[in-house]
Amino acid sequence: AQSVTQPDIHITVSEGASLELRCNYSYGATPYLFWYVQSPGQGLQLLLKYFSGDTLVQGIKGFEAEFKRSQSSFNLRKPSVHWSDAAEYFCAVGPATGGGNKLTFGTGTQLKVEL
Amino acid sequence: DVKVTQSSRYLVKRTGEKVFLECVQDMDHENMFWYRQDPGLGLRLIYFSYDVKMKEKGDIPEGYSVSREKKERFSLILESASTNQTSMYLCASLAGTSYEQYFGPGTRLTVT
Repeated sequence: AQSVTQPDIHITVSEGASLELRCNYSYGATPYLFWYVQSPGQGLQLLLKYFSGDTLVQGIKGFEAEFKRSQSSFNLRKPSVHWSDAAEYFCAVGPATGGGNKLTFGTGTQLKVEL
Repeated sequence: DVKVTQSSRYLVKRTGEKVFLECVQDMDHENMFWYRQDPGLGLRLIYFSYDVKMKEKGDIPEGYSVSREKKERFSLILESASTNQTSMYLCASLAGTSYEQYFGPGTRLTVT
């Protein structure tokens, strides 16, 4: 069965510092990979997605993620964090073929930004 | 602009009440989903629907049912609410075959 692990429950960074949020997945086939962000009191918003091709994908709000098949990872990065990036971040995986359209989500990483 | 709306942002119900959570999307999507979000557990899929009147159980369907009579509307029903169903409920709609789910703002349900 597929699973997604986000090993960091909470992360605190200073504004202007770089950020990396970790995501590891377990999947029996080629996956589709996603990062979503949830601001306080809001639903989830898609930051970026990886389906195929270039393993470094760019998303909204200056975020990027790199797919590393050998490490089963899809880590999210941002070179300089802004106070408005404080939110909860979810990594998700879905089947590239078959399996319906269901996504499996990680447990989330709560990001705090210190001014 | 893509839109998924949920009928209530906050809801307080008593144990044993029948509860309806409504979700409406304006994107003509075939697929709709109901998730439950709890701290430390992430999002867990309750039910999803891939067409009108069609539904499939997700990972945690116990205590819930769903209804999809029209393409744009997907309802989650708690037949007899219990305190362990206190949670944030998120509805999502799927953009074709891209797997890009669009989420509503969520309903925070408290069962007392």
